[in-house]
Amino acid sequence: KQEVTQIPAALSVPEGENLVLNCSFTDSAIYNLQWFRQDPGKGLTSLLLIQSSQREQTSGRLNASLDKSSGRSTLYIAASQPGDSATYLCAVTDSWGKLQFGAGTQVVVTP
Amino acid sequence: GAVVSQHPSRVICKSGTSVKIECRSLDFQATTMFWYRQFPKKSLMLMATSNEGSKATYEQGVEKDKFLINHASLTLSTLTVTSAHPEDSSFYICSGELAGGPGPNEQFFGPGTRLTVL
Repeated sequence: KQEVTQIPAALSVPEGENLVLNCSFTDSAIYNLQWFRQDPGKGLTSLLLIQSSQREQTSGRLNASLDKSSGRSTLYIAASQPGDSATYLCAVTDSWGKLQFGAGTQVVVTP
Repeated sequence: GAVVSQHPSRVICKSGTSVKIECRSLDFQATTMFWYRQFPKKSLMLMATSNEGSKATYEQGVEKDKFLINHASLTLSTLTVTSAHPEDSSFYICSGELAGGPGPNEQFFGPGTRLTVL
């Protein structure tokens, strides 16, 4: 059974620092991996989607890497801002289209 | 990107009543929709997969008679929590799969519905 783990569970950094969020998964037979942002009491906003054949994806200040063989993905957020404060979730998709989510990393960026 | 809405956004009900939550794909057709449940500070757990015009497929441990899912059209799926109890209080999120090429396609998520059962 696929298990997705996110470390750390919570992270607090001063504004301007780079953020590094980690996601690991136990079964490398994934179709793709996604990173989401969730604000308190809100739904999910998709940030980046990496296909299993890709090594990384970039969007603005965000960069996500994928090492499928080792079951790891890392989300980098450069030059963090207070508006980046949120919970970040990673999820892997299996061949049936089902998403398995990690528990998330709660990020606080202090001014 | 594709937009999914949910209604209502928040609902408070008395124990024993039934509550219906709607999930709509506003600008695309979703042959497959997914329903998730999220407990405070926990991950999203897939409850069921619904395909338009057919019965939903429930994940292990999810009571299909408690959580009724109907996917009557390509843009609407509903989740009815029957005879709700306080332990059903949770944040329910749906997603619609954007049909495209072979294999799983990207899912777009609704804003969620906060259910509180008194």
